Amino acid sequence: DADVTQTPRNRITKTGKRIMLECSQTKGHDRMYWYRQDPGLGLQLIYYSFDVKDINKGEISDGYSVSRQAQAKFSLSLESAIPNQTALYFCATSDSWTEQPQHFGDGTRLSIL
Amino acid sequence: QQQVKQSPQSLIVQKGGISIINCAYENTAFDYFPWYQQFPGKGPALLIAIRPDVSEKKEGRFTISFNKSAKQFSLHIMDSQPGDSATYFCAASIGAGNTPLVFGKGTRLSVIA
Repeated sequence: DADVTQTPRNRITKTGKRIMLECSQTKGHDRMYWYRQDPGLGLQLIYYSFDVKDINKGEISDGYSVSRQAQAKFSLSLESAIPNQTALYFCATSDSWTEQPQHFGDGTRLSIL
Repeated sequence: QQQVKQSPQSLIVQKGGISIINCAYENTAFDYFPWYQQFPGKGPALLIAIRPDVSEKKEGRFTISFNKSAKQFSLHIMDSQPGDSATYFCAASIGAGNTPLVFGKGTRLSVIA
């Protein structure tokens, strides 16, 4: 089983729809992150969470929201999807106690028509 | 403002040759510098990392060279193989696991026979 599981792996939806991407981890890490990947732009940070009660905006948070439901679960929502949010989305975890660097899931490919 | 600049965007190397990817950073508070490798359909995976107290770190065919005064670091892949064909990202953070990684925009490496 994967340490960091993202669901769904692929999603096609229409403009204006609400979408939730989910991430769960079995690594026991305290910190979780959502990144967006676009060709030629690398990985851009959307939101991150240091623990269940801590949520922080990243460099491109507009149009997105997150929820840390438990230490192991971190979801990303697009309240009203727009075509320029078409991208690959990655969840990652890290652990501040053991200094474990970020470990990524295999991503969700999101297409908004 | 791009805090980590990576070059080149793409690289083609003959099998058995040396692949070199360069990165430069701006924030002198960064003290953890990993390289991630990404294959199509997969999330980035940690390849090798260095801290600024050493100038070089080697793991198998992969070497990171670090120049603290120039605020630059590079990845060298010796005896490059077709299986090394992937996208490589440099990154930087304050501590390993403590703060979000700031990524370069990536280098697509193709190793041809």
